[in-house]
Amino acid sequence: EIALTQSPATLSLSPGDRATLSCRASQSVSSYLAWYQQKPGQAPRLLIYDASNRATGIPARFSGSGSGTDFTLTISSLEPEDFAVYYCQQRSHWPTFGQGTKVEIK
Amino acid sequence: QLQVQESGPGLVKPSETLSLTCTVSGGSISSSSYYWGWIRQPPGKGLEWIGSVYFSGGTFYNPSPLKSRITISVDTSKNQFSLRLSSVTAADTAVYFCARHEKEGTRKWYFDLWGRGTLVTVSS
Repeated sequence: EIALTQSPATLSLSPGDRATLSCRASQSVSSYLAWYQQKPGQAPRLLIYDASNRATGIPARFSGSGSGTDFTLTISSLEPEDFAVYYCQQRSHWPTFGQGTKVEIK
Repeated sequence: QLQVQESGPGLVKPSETLSLTCTVSGGSISSSSYYWGWIRQPPGKGLEWIGSVYFSGGTFYNPSPLKSRITISVDTSKNQFSLRLSSVTAADTAVYFCARHEKEGTRKWYFDLWGRGTLVTVSS
């Protein structure tokens, strides 16, 4: 199993701030990594796939980068609706998810 | 617009079998382009892929110890797919999501359409 470790567990920021979230894989997953956003009581929403490709309808303030074992999700300027939990997921082997990073209002 | 929705009992007794159904609406489950999967999320915890099924009946299961207890099946006549998880314990208490993922291409094995999820509690 490929384990994904996300950091930090919680990120306290203000609207307008830049958010940088990290996901590290226990072995290389090439570029086969996605990011999801989940709000309370809702299903996750696909944001980024294959490390850097935005899914349909995702605003340009969301960007992804990385390859191999280290990946980053950047939100360039936080909007009020961006405060949520973010998960990474790899598809290099059978799908696994990270434990999530909560982006909360400071 | 294509949607998926979970249904089934919200309470299951320990040692019994959890059974859930996902209904696909606004489109066909028989599309050759997609797999249909189950993912769960224990309260306050992260996400775990359980397994996926193709419209022809082919399945992929999480090879963890969970695999021995999982059965996923499809009923194309009803546009539904189902999950059965046997011998449940309190550790199986979770929100269970059904979701779709592409079979081929750059977005394969990423989950791009999800249901709202259904909470299943295992308790006597």
